Amino acid sequence: QKEVEQDPGPLSVPEGAIVSLNCTYSNSAFQYFMWYRQYSRKGPELLMYTYSSGNKEDGRFTAQVDKSSKYISLFIRDSQPSDSATYLCATELNAGGTSYGKLTFGQGTILTVHP
Amino acid sequence: DAGITQSPRHKVTETGTPVTLRCHQTENHRYMYWYRQDPGHGLRLIHYSYGVKDTDKGEVSDGYSVSRSKTEDFLLTLESATSSQTSVYFCAISEMQGQGNYGYTFGSGTRLTVV
Repeated sequence: QKEVEQDPGPLSVPEGAIVSLNCTYSNSAFQYFMWYRQYSRKGPELLMYTYSSGNKEDGRFTAQVDKSSKYISLFIRDSQPSDSATYLCATELNAGGTSYGKLTFGQGTILTVHP
Repeated sequence: DAGITQSPRHKVTETGTPVTLRCHQTENHRYMYWYRQDPGHGLRLIHYSYGVKDTDKGEVSDGYSVSRSKTEDFLLTLESATSSQTSVYFCAISEMQGQGNYGYTFGSGTRLTVV
């Protein structure tokens, strides 16, 4: 079993829809959570970074972490065709710096927003 | 991908030949990483570096070696390329802040095909 599981989709929604992307993780030592967006044939780019349980909002994007359930989510409101990309969740251990910043990624979810 | 470049962007090589991929950064970040991305597996860590001449293995290091003789350069070598190493390779950099790395900056990737 992978340490971070993510539904690969693909997910196709109409423009304006609310999108929910989800990941589960198995290691309770993961303390930092990120979402990356990757356009076709490009490198991933950091979208959201969270540390504690709860919600973090940035424009149309909301990242949600539930450490008790080991569940992380990304919500996209008023989705746009430009949001079409692969979304990757990632986690990092909290090891006082000795984790060397290594991230464990989910498999990625391919999202298409059609006009 | 300001501050981080990968070369070459594309490469086709024959089975059994050695191949070296280069990652160059201008951000003076301490931490550098090599990941490979394959369908259904997401991003998997190959090797990482936490300083000049300080490197360690990641999840999928067999058949790969790395070197970092300068802060700005991190080289990934496939000692004897095999078809299973056909993949997209991403380099990433980060700087630890507190106990977390606050996210990576990725390069644009190298698409390697082993025939």
